[in-house]
Amino acid sequence: EIVMTQSPATLSVSPGERATLSCRASQSVGSNLAWYQQKPGQAPRLLIYGASSRATGIPARFSGSGSGTEFTLTISSLQSEDFAVYYCQQYNNWPFPFGQGTKLEIK
Amino acid sequence: EVQLVESGGGLVQPGRSLRLSCAASGFTFDDYAMHWVRQAPGKGLEWVSGISWNTGSISYADSVKGRFTISRDNAKNSLYLQMNSLRPEDTALYYCAKVGGSVIYYELDYWGQGTLVTVSS
Repeated sequence: EIVMTQSPATLSVSPGERATLSCRASQSVGSNLAWYQQKPGQAPRLLIYGASSRATGIPARFSGSGSGTEFTLTISSLQSEDFAVYYCQQYNNWPFPFGQGTKLEIK
Repeated sequence: EVQLVESGGGLVQPGRSLRLSCAASGFTFDDYAMHWVRQAPGKGLEWVSGISWNTGSISYADSVKGRFTISRDNAKNSLYLQMNSLRPEDTALYYCAKVGGSVIYYELDYWGQGTLVTVSS
Protein backbone atom coordinates (compact mmCIF):
# COMPACT_ATOMS: atom_id res chain seq x y z
CA GLU A 1 0.00 0.00 0.00
CA ILE A 2 1.30 3.42 -0.98
CA VAL A 3 1.95 5.92 1.79
CA MET A 4 1.88 9.66 1.05
CA THR A 5 4.04 11.91 3.21
CA GLN A 6 3.77 15.67 3.15
CA SER A 7 6.27 18.18 4.49
CA PRO A 8 6.39 20.35 6.37
CA ALA A 9 3.39 19.84 8.62
CA THR A 10 3.12 23.61 9.07
CA LEU A 11 4.58 26.33 6.89
CA SER A 12 4.68 29.98 7.96
CA VAL A 13 5.00 32.44 5.08
CA SER A 14 4.36 36.15 4.67
CA PRO A 15 1.83 37.41 2.12
CA GLY A 16 3.48 38.08 -1.21
CA GLU A 17 6.18 35.49 -0.66
CA ARG A 18 6.55 32.09 -2.31
CA ALA A 19 5.45 28.88 -0.63
CA THR A 20 6.77 25.43 -1.53
CA LEU A 21 4.99 22.33 -0.26
CA SER A 22 6.30 18.80 -0.71
CA CYS A 23 4.65 15.42 -1.11
CA ARG A 24 6.43 12.09 -1.30
CA ALA A 25 4.99 8.73 -2.31
CA SER A 26 6.41 5.49 -0.91
CA GLN A 27 6.44 4.07 -4.43
CA SER A 28 6.04 5.49 -7.89
CA VAL A 29 2.62 6.89 -8.78
CA GLY A 30 3.68 8.26 -12.17
CA SER A 31 1.96 11.60 -12.65
CA ASN A 32 -1.27 10.45 -11.02
CA LEU A 33 -1.18 12.95 -8.19
CA ALA A 34 -3.57 15.70 -7.16
CA TRP A 35 -3.38 18.63 -4.76
CA TYR A 36 -6.38 19.93 -2.82
CA GLN A 37 -6.94 23.05 -0.75
CA GLN A 38 -9.21 23.05 2.29
CA LYS A 39 -10.27 26.11 4.25
CA PRO A 40 -11.92 25.86 7.69
CA GLY A 41 -15.53 24.74 7.47
CA GLN A 42 -15.31 24.09 3.75
CA ALA A 43 -15.03 21.05 1.53
CA PRO A 44 -11.70 20.41 -0.20
CA ARG A 45 -11.17 22.01 -3.59
CA LEU A 46 -9.13 20.51 -6.41
CA LEU A 47 -6.13 22.65 -7.33
CA ILE A 48 -3.81 20.45 -9.39
CA TYR A 49 -4.26 17.11 -11.15
CA GLY A 50 -1.89 15.01 -13.22
CA ALA A 51 0.87 16.44 -10.96
CA SER A 52 1.05 19.70 -12.90
CA SER A 53 -2.29 20.62 -14.54
CA ARG A 54 -4.31 23.36 -12.91
CA ALA A 55 -7.99 22.64 -12.32
CA THR A 56 -10.66 24.89 -13.75
CA GLY A 57 -10.61 28.38 -12.27
CA ILE A 58 -7.37 27.94 -10.31
CA PRO A 59 -5.10 31.00 -10.49
CA ALA A 60 -1.79 30.78 -12.30
CA ARG A 61 0.14 31.44 -9.07
CA PHE A 62 -0.52 27.78 -8.18
CA SER A 63 1.77 25.31 -9.92
CA GLY A 64 2.59 21.66 -9.47
CA SER A 65 5.62 19.65 -10.48
CA GLY A 66 7.20 16.26 -10.07
CA SER A 67 6.62 12.67 -11.07
CA GLY A 68 7.28 9.23 -9.69
CA THR A 69 7.68 9.71 -5.96
CA GLU A 70 8.52 13.38 -5.43
CA PHE A 71 6.04 16.20 -5.96
CA THR A 72 5.89 19.90 -5.21
CA LEU A 73 3.12 22.47 -5.00
CA THR A 74 4.33 26.03 -5.38
CA ILE A 75 2.32 29.16 -4.69
CA SER A 76 4.29 31.97 -6.28
CA SER A 77 2.98 35.02 -4.42
CA LEU A 78 0.77 34.26 -1.45
CA GLN A 79 -2.56 36.00 -1.18
CA SER A 80 -4.57 36.19 2.02
CA GLU A 81 -7.09 33.66 0.68
CA ASP A 82 -4.33 31.06 0.16
CA PHE A 83 -3.78 30.39 3.84
CA ALA A 84 -5.36 26.97 4.29
CA VAL A 85 -4.51 23.27 4.58
CA TYR A 86 -3.19 21.51 1.49
CA TYR A 87 -3.41 17.79 0.79
CA CYS A 88 -1.86 15.62 -1.88
CA GLN A 89 -3.48 12.39 -3.08
CA GLN A 90 -2.28 9.65 -5.38
CA TYR A 91 -4.77 7.94 -7.69
CA ASN A 92 -2.45 5.59 -9.52
CA ASN A 93 -3.16 2.50 -7.42
CA TRP A 94 -5.91 1.41 -5.07
CA PRO A 95 -6.29 2.48 -2.30
CA PHE A 96 -6.05 6.21 -2.88
CA PRO A 97 -4.48 7.71 0.23
CA PHE A 98 -4.07 11.37 1.03
CA GLY A 99 -1.05 12.90 2.65
CA GLN A 100 -1.51 14.12 6.22
CA GLY A 101 -1.70 17.74 5.04
CA THR A 102 0.38 20.90 5.24
CA LYS A 103 -1.08 23.86 7.07
CA LEU A 104 -0.04 27.10 5.42
CA GLU A 105 -0.22 29.91 7.93
CA ILE A 106 0.47 33.62 7.91
CA LYS A 107 3.88 34.60 9.22
CA GLU B 1 -23.23 23.75 -12.21
CA VAL B 2 -22.10 20.53 -10.55
CA GLN B 3 -23.87 19.92 -7.25
CA LEU B 4 -23.36 17.06 -4.80
CA VAL B 5 -25.60 16.94 -1.75
CA GLU B 6 -24.99 14.34 0.93
CA SER B 7 -27.60 13.21 3.43
CA GLY B 8 -28.27 10.44 5.91
CA GLY B 9 -25.76 11.27 8.61
CA GLY B 10 -26.59 11.40 12.29
CA LEU B 11 -25.92 9.95 15.71
CA VAL B 12 -25.79 6.16 15.84
CA GLN B 13 -24.76 3.63 18.45
CA PRO B 14 -21.72 1.41 17.96
CA GLY B 15 -22.55 -1.74 16.05
CA ARG B 16 -25.54 -0.20 14.28
CA SER B 17 -25.97 0.72 10.62
CA LEU B 18 -26.45 3.88 8.61
CA ARG B 19 -26.96 4.59 4.92
CA LEU B 20 -25.56 7.75 3.37
CA SER B 21 -26.84 9.19 0.10
CA CYS B 22 -25.40 11.68 -2.33
CA ALA B 23 -27.67 13.40 -4.85
CA ALA B 24 -25.84 14.59 -7.95
CA SER B 25 -26.84 17.20 -10.49
CA GLY B 26 -25.32 19.45 -13.13
CA PHE B 27 -23.47 16.71 -14.99
CA THR B 28 -24.14 13.38 -16.69
CA PHE B 29 -23.93 11.19 -13.60
CA ASP B 30 -23.51 7.87 -15.36
CA ASP B 31 -20.44 9.12 -17.23
CA TYR B 32 -18.34 9.42 -14.09
CA ALA B 33 -16.92 7.40 -11.26
CA MET B 34 -17.63 8.55 -7.72
CA HIS B 35 -15.87 8.31 -4.36
CA TRP B 36 -16.52 8.71 -0.64
CA VAL B 37 -13.94 10.50 1.51
CA ARG B 38 -14.20 11.14 5.24
CA GLN B 39 -12.65 13.52 7.72
CA ALA B 40 -12.67 12.88 11.45
CA PRO B 41 -13.06 16.01 13.61
CA GLY B 42 -9.85 18.05 13.49
CA LYS B 43 -8.09 15.44 11.35
CA GLY B 44 -7.02 15.00 7.74
CA LEU B 45 -8.76 13.48 4.76
CA GLU B 46 -9.22 9.71 4.53
CA TRP B 47 -10.26 8.02 1.31
CA VAL B 48 -13.05 5.51 1.97
CA SER B 49 -14.35 3.97 -1.26
CA GLY B 50 -14.72 4.44 -5.01
CA ILE B 51 -17.06 3.10 -7.70
CA SER B 52 -16.77 3.28 -11.48
CA TRP B 53 -19.54 4.58 -13.72
CA ASN B 54 -21.00 1.12 -14.34
CA THR B 55 -20.18 -0.42 -10.91
CA GLY B 56 -17.69 -2.68 -12.66
CA SER B 57 -14.85 -1.45 -10.45
CA ILE B 58 -15.26 -0.93 -6.71
CA SER B 59 -12.58 -0.38 -4.09
CA TYR B 60 -12.50 0.14 -0.33
CA ALA B 61 -10.02 1.31 2.26
CA ASP B 62 -8.87 -1.51 4.54
CA SER B 63 -10.40 0.33 7.50
CA VAL B 64 -13.94 -0.16 6.13
CA LYS B 65 -13.65 -3.26 3.97
CA GLY B 66 -16.27 -5.85 4.87
CA ARG B 67 -18.37 -3.30 6.77
CA PHE B 68 -19.16 -0.61 4.19
CA THR B 69 -20.75 -1.05 0.77
CA ILE B 70 -20.71 1.58 -1.95
CA SER B 71 -23.38 1.58 -4.63
CA ARG B 72 -25.01 3.88 -7.14
CA ASP B 73 -28.31 4.27 -8.99
CA ASN B 74 -27.63 5.99 -12.29
CA ALA B 75 -31.35 6.35 -12.99
CA LYS B 76 -31.67 8.42 -9.82
CA ASN B 77 -28.33 10.24 -10.14
CA SER B 78 -27.45 9.01 -6.68
CA LEU B 79 -24.51 7.51 -4.83
CA TYR B 80 -24.83 5.54 -1.61
CA LEU B 81 -22.70 4.26 1.24
CA GLN B 82 -24.16 1.50 3.40
CA MET B 83 -22.26 1.47 6.68
CA ASN B 84 -22.66 -1.55 8.97
CA SER B 85 -21.05 -2.51 12.27
CA LEU B 86 -20.18 1.11 12.92
CA ARG B 87 -17.38 1.93 15.33
CA PRO B 88 -16.54 5.13 17.23
CA GLU B 89 -13.55 5.61 14.92
CA ASP B 90 -15.97 5.92 11.99
CA THR B 91 -17.09 9.26 13.41
CA ALA B 92 -16.39 11.78 10.67
CA LEU B 93 -17.75 14.17 8.09
CA TYR B 94 -18.41 12.08 5.00
CA TYR B 95 -17.94 13.70 1.61
CA CYS B 96 -19.02 12.38 -1.75
CA ALA B 97 -16.81 13.43 -4.61
CA LYS B 98 -17.04 13.24 -8.38
CA VAL B 99 -14.12 11.82 -10.30
CA GLY B 100 -12.70 13.42 -13.40
CA GLY B 101 -13.37 10.33 -15.53
CA SER B 102 -15.44 7.17 -15.88
CA VAL B 103 -13.14 4.89 -13.92
CA ILE B 104 -12.00 5.38 -10.33
CA TYR B 105 -8.40 6.27 -11.23
CA TYR B 106 -8.84 10.01 -11.57
CA GLU B 107 -8.67 13.10 -9.43
CA LEU B 108 -11.65 14.25 -7.36
CA ASP B 109 -12.80 17.36 -9.17
CA TYR B 110 -15.99 18.23 -7.29
CA TRP B 111 -16.95 17.64 -3.68
CA GLY B 112 -20.14 17.90 -1.68
CA GLN B 113 -20.36 19.72 1.65
CA GLY B 114 -20.47 16.50 3.64
CA THR B 115 -22.77 14.77 6.10
CA LEU B 116 -21.72 14.18 9.70
CA VAL B 117 -21.76 10.70 11.18
CA THR B 118 -21.29 10.35 14.92
CA VAL B 119 -20.90 6.88 16.40
CA SER B 120 -21.38 6.95 20.14
CA SER B 121 -23.36 5.25 22.87
